[in-house]
Amino acid sequence: DAKTTQPNSMESNEEEPVHLPCNHSTISGTDYIHWYRQLPSQGPEYVIHGLTSNVNNRMASLAIAEDRKSSTLILHRATLRDAAVYYCILLPLIQGAQKLVFGQGTRLTINP
Amino acid sequence: GAGVSQSPSNKVTEKGKDVELRCDPISGHTALYWYRQSLGQGLEFLIYFQGNSAPDKSGLPSDRFSAERTGGSVSTLTIQRTQQEDSAVYLCASSPSGGAFTGELFFGEGSRLTVL
Repeated sequence: DAKTTQPNSMESNEEEPVHLPCNHSTISGTDYIHWYRQLPSQGPEYVIHGLTSNVNNRMASLAIAEDRKSSTLILHRATLRDAAVYYCILLPLIQGAQKLVFGQGTRLTINP
Repeated sequence: GAGVSQSPSNKVTEKGKDVELRCDPISGHTALYWYRQSLGQGLEFLIYFQGNSAPDKSGLPSDRFSAERTGGSVSTLTIQRTQQEDSAVYLCASSPSGGAFTGELFFGEGSRLTVL
């Protein structure tokens, strides 16, 4: 399985942008980059995914490096509710199900 | 409801007893996953189902753990002769992966198991 590397923890202030990095230097051409987050005492929730182009949705933006060896999840204006563990996961797009392997992720703290 | 439903939400049992945890996936989702999360730890993959078959059981920690899925819907995770190290939150997720897998899993709230 292609491996991702994320900082153990990050801290930011409320209403400021947050940039969460992920390194995936061994990514293959068919691997999609997925982000999940886990709020305290809840199951993980899907945030966003992409392949090559930057992606935006209502929750966040995903910026993918041109060589695809790294990506950044961007929360444009953090709120206290964004405090969570954020996971970056690589998955090939294949037919049928496959398992998601969650690493340790980045614990994001938001200061009021 | 529209989401993944798990029961019980909390279970306290004595060491050596058997427990069953149930997962009701989102209607129409063909893939179903079980994970567990011990206190302060990351998510540990246990098993996943595509329909009623389990292509990957590699994460089941021992032969005391088993899971089944019937009718392509409800799944039961059974832990026999529970041990204290089995205490964790057991999370179920489902995915509409009848076609190409897009990687979006929908998780339930989890079943918290405490073995005394």
